[in-house]
Amino acid sequence: AQSVTQLGSHVSVSEGALVLLRCNYSSSVPPYLFWYVQYPNQGLQLLLKYTSAATLVKGINGFEAEFKKSETSFHLTKPSAHMSDAAEYSCAVSEGTGGFKTIFGAGTRLFVKA
Amino acid sequence: KAGVTQTPRYLIKTRGQQVTLSCSPISGHRSVSWYQQTPGQGLQFLFEYFSETQRNKGNFPGRFSGRQFSNSRSEMNVSTLELGDSALYLCASSLERGGGADTQYFGPGTRLTVL
Repeated sequence: AQSVTQLGSHVSVSEGALVLLRCNYSSSVPPYLFWYVQYPNQGLQLLLKYTSAATLVKGINGFEAEFKKSETSFHLTKPSAHMSDAAEYSCAVSEGTGGFKTIFGAGTRLFVKA
Repeated sequence: KAGVTQTPRYLIKTRGQQVTLSCSPISGHRSVSWYQQTPGQGLQFLFEYFSETQRNKGNFPGRFSGRQFSNSRSEMNVSTLELGDSALYLCASSLERGGGADTQYFGPGTRLTVL
């Protein structure tokens, strides 16, 4: 069965510092992996996704994530945090077994300090 | 193109009642999924519909049901409401060209409060 674990429900970084949000998954078949972001008072939107092409995936707003099969990880990074990055980030896994059954992690709230 | 719309945006019900939530997907999208979002638990998958058929189902009791119409609009019903059903219910649509890799586009959600 699929599952997603996000380490840390809250992460705090200083503006300009590296952002690292951790995501580990389990899947019985090659997975599709996603990061979604929810800014305050806005809906959930796709940040980036891995669909078995390049293992390093670039997303919007300078975020990227690397798929590491050996570590079953899909951590999200951004070299330099900006105040506007403060949001809830959710990692998700979907298996291609006929339609959608997407499993989300519990989410990580990112705080950015000035 | 208009985004995913959900109605109503807010609902207050009492225990034991039933509720119906509605979702209109992006035009041309045939797959509609429903999720329950509660603080600390993230999004929990309820079910997915495609061409009026439920293709996938999460681990929720039978009180949670849904359907999809020929125009891809979907409804979700919760019967015999319990306090624990209070949550934000999100609907997402996608083109669903196959395999689960398609991007899902989320609606703003319906905030259900059960008193």
